[in-house]
Amino acid sequence: DAGVIQSPRHEVTEMGQEVTLRCKPISGHNSLFWYRQTMMRGLELLIYFNNNVPIDDSGMPEDRFSAKMPNASFSTLKIQPSEPRDSAVYFCASSRIVGPNTGELFFGEGSRLTVL
Amino acid sequence: SQQGEEDPQALSIQEGENATMNCSYKTSINNLQWYRQNSGRGLVHLILIRSNEREKHSGRLRVTLDTSKKSSSLLITASRAADTASYFCATVTQGGSEKLVFGKGTKLTVNP
Repeated sequence: DAGVIQSPRHEVTEMGQEVTLRCKPISGHNSLFWYRQTMMRGLELLIYFNNNVPIDDSGMPEDRFSAKMPNASFSTLKIQPSEPRDSAVYFCASSRIVGPNTGELFFGEGSRLTVL
Repeated sequence: SQQGEEDPQALSIQEGENATMNCSYKTSINNLQWYRQNSGRGLVHLILIRSNEREKHSGRLRVTLDTSKKSSSLLITASRAADTASYFCATVTQGGSEKLVFGKGTKLTVNP
């Protein structure tokens, strides 16, 4: 299995530009999570999907952030317009089991975003 | 916001020694998981312990869970330089949503 695939691995952009991060979960996994990692705040859950439906987006910082999952094999996280404080590593993770006993999450290698 | 808090924030030991990391959490949980992250990489799942379990082993890893104290510990025995990484605990809250909430991690350095 190829694992969770994220792109791009690195992105440097200027404030105000649109950023789109992409994720391909592991085939057969029905849940997908987007996390953001910074030194100050650690790992924060932004949003997660179950069977392509957004279940909890309470962690999305503000309206500049949006996420979609048009099908079981693809998700995007978009930031428009981007700001320097959005600089972080964004992780996508997928799981087979989500529920009262959410199981193991499989993480991608992350997308390191730098907003100048 | 973080549910779990790892302690210590950083730990430096010699190869061959044991490493113990602790995690405390605030609300009742369904399960607790430990993950490892090598520098610049994604997180990798190590072990899951359910709320009705007290101890679990996997190779050189031993995890304990004390629900009365709302705490867990991860013990790595006979550490190796390759164990150098950050270790995170994550919890699934009982009666809450299905999401996994992570602590800020313990940075472990194993010196050869």
